[in-house]
Amino acid sequence: EVQLVESGGGLVQPDRSLRLSCAASGFTFDDYAMHWVRQAPGKGLEWVSGITWNSGGTGYADSVKGRFTISRDNAKNSLYLQMNSLRAEDTALYYCAKDSGNSLHYFDSWGQGTLVTVSS
Amino acid sequence: EIVLTQSPATLSLSPGERATLSCRASQSVSSYLAWYQQKPGQSPRLLIYDASNRATGIPARFSGSGSGTDFTLTISSLEPEDFAVYYCQQRRNWPLTFGGGTKVEIK
Repeated sequence: EVQLVESGGGLVQPDRSLRLSCAASGFTFDDYAMHWVRQAPGKGLEWVSGITWNSGGTGYADSVKGRFTISRDNAKNSLYLQMNSLRAEDTALYYCAKDSGNSLHYFDSWGQGTLVTVSS
Repeated sequence: EIVLTQSPATLSLSPGERATLSCRASQSVSSYLAWYQQKPGQSPRLLIYDASNRATGIPARFSGSGSGTDFTLTISSLEPEDFAVYYCQQRRNWPLTFGGGTKVEIK
């Protein structure tokens, strides 16, 4: 069974940084691209970032480009999101999502999410 | 960026009725479109990928159609557990984008 467990969320002040982690199990992690998707309270889904199986390719939403960095450690079956210069509008539940293939870019498994609140 | 517009925003139906949800893209996404279901307090679930293919374990009452810029998700006969929010998502171009969602509520 695929399991994705996010951690690292919390309350952070504007302009500060936070690093999210996602621990994956139940599948061959380095066979799949991985993504972060967020959902602001009461709002819809927004893709944040994605990374190919070997970290050879990454992509970002325009809203986070230059501030967020996605990375992965295949030896640890882990995905990360380094978030810098956080803004109030980054407040959201951040989901780790498994790609349905190697860069097919659909999301066939999701974690439960970790909540990030940006506020002074 | 490809913008996906879903309609209607809310669909009020009774169990057993047919639901028809629309997703329109600002430019062609070919068949590179997926549908997700999200229930309150839960993570989204992949229903349909590549416009018309059901994901693993998805009941046959869910079907998808369309290509280019116009897509439809049809639920042939609503079950009580189908009342939820539905999102479309394109993978034709990065950044990947979602529609704003359609809430299917009990009438």
